[in-house]
Amino acid sequence: QVQLQESGPGLVKPSETLSLICIVSGGSISSYYWSWIRQPPGKGLEWIGYIYYSGTTNYNPSLKSRVTISVDTSKKQFSLKLSSVTAADTAVYYCARGYGGNSGPFDYWGQGTLVTVSS
Amino acid sequence: QLVLTQSPSASASLGASVKLTCTLSSGHSSYAIAWHQQQPEKGPRYLMKLNSDGSHSKGDGIPDRFSGSSSGTERYLTISSLQSEDEADYYCQTWGTGIALFGGGTKLTVL
Repeated sequence: QVQLQESGPGLVKPSETLSLICIVSGGSISSYYWSWIRQPPGKGLEWIGYIYYSGTTNYNPSLKSRVTISVDTSKKQFSLKLSSVTAADTAVYYCARGYGGNSGPFDYWGQGTLVTVSS
Repeated sequence: QLVLTQSPSASASLGASVKLTCTLSSGHSSYAIAWHQQQPEKGPRYLMKLNSDGSHSKGDGIPDRFSGSSSGTERYLTISSLQSEDEADYYCQTWGTGIALFGGGTKLTVL
């Protein structure tokens, strides 16, 4: 059974960089698309970006200037960095696996981690 | 521009059936989507991938009560024999070259 687990600081100061890691277990990291998605309190889901296991990335145009996603296949993990955060970046952040091409449907999700941006 | 549209809310009685709709923007009738369920205070759960021809493949452990169908730019999720635990938010998701996106979600209330 594939499992994804997010980890990282739950509190980030405004203007700083949010950093999260997603560890993949129970399955291969190869041949899949690995995405970050977020959900502000009481709102819907927003796709942040994905990385293919080979390292190819694509980002949501609305966040592209501030987002970096990277992958470490040897450790079976991928990471998210979001720079210059503001209170609007407060959200539950999820990692998810996509398959079949162009990020694909997200068939496995992490449980999510709440990140609050506040001084 | 690729957009997914969902009604904000729906309701149905315990034991009844409900059909939720996700509408693709004009010109995108060939796109597949995925349906996800998010129960209160939980993370999303993948229900199924739904193709434009109505064929679908469900995620691990998804009951037969959940089914999908398609017509033109409309993608449907039908839940039969509604149970209390089906009360949740339901999101559709699609993907294209270099992008993925979600509909706004439908909050389903089981009466």
